[in-house]
Amino acid sequence: DAKTTQPTSMDCAEGRAANLPCNHSTISGNEYVYWYRQIHSQGPQYIIHGLKNNETNEMASLIITEDRKSSTLILPHATLRDTAVYYCIVRASNTGGFKTIFGAGTRLFVKA
Amino acid sequence: EAQVTQNPRYLITVTGKKLTVTCSQNMNHEYMSWYRQDPGLGLRQIYYSMNVEVTDKGDVPEGYKVSRKEKRNFPLILESPSPNQTSLYFCASSLDTEAFFGQGTRLTVV
Repeated sequence: DAKTTQPTSMDCAEGRAANLPCNHSTISGNEYVYWYRQIHSQGPQYIIHGLKNNETNEMASLIITEDRKSSTLILPHATLRDTAVYYCIVRASNTGGFKTIFGAGTRLFVKA
Repeated sequence: EAQVTQNPRYLITVTGKKLTVTCSQNMNHEYMSWYRQDPGLGLRQIYYSMNVEVTDKGDVPEGYKVSRKEKRNFPLILESPSPNQTSLYFCASSLDTEAFFGQGTRLTVV
């Protein structure tokens, strides 16, 4: 699975959009970009994933660059409850045995 | 409700005393996995399973065993726990895309 690079931490004002970047320059053609978040030692929570098209769900939007070497997770209206560590992961959708590598992630602080 | 259930949530044990952390999922997922999380090291995969009776090592399998006799259960076994296995453990299950994680088991080995 391709390696990802994320900023260590970011701040965001409550109510504003939080834009979390991720670099994955070695991504392969069959690999998807996944985002998870972990709130204070709880189990990680799935947010969104995509292959090459932009994706949106009730939690967030995922913007993937045309060359697929980077992506941005957007939380459109961040709340205090969005304070968490956000992980960007690249893996094949059906990778054998569900082998998934989590990096260090980005610690997002949403401030009132 | 779809969920992954781990037990116990908290455990303090002594070095060398065998223990089992159970993990059960009710979503009929084929894939299950165990992770440990340590400060500064993030989430590291211990073992994973593609289906019943099919398991494989992750990145940090030493000192752990797993079994997958039924699709819903994936217990993590520490035959002879040591203090360096003090950690926060997570079980996860997946069909092929979204993974569901349990709430974690905080294990302390003294």
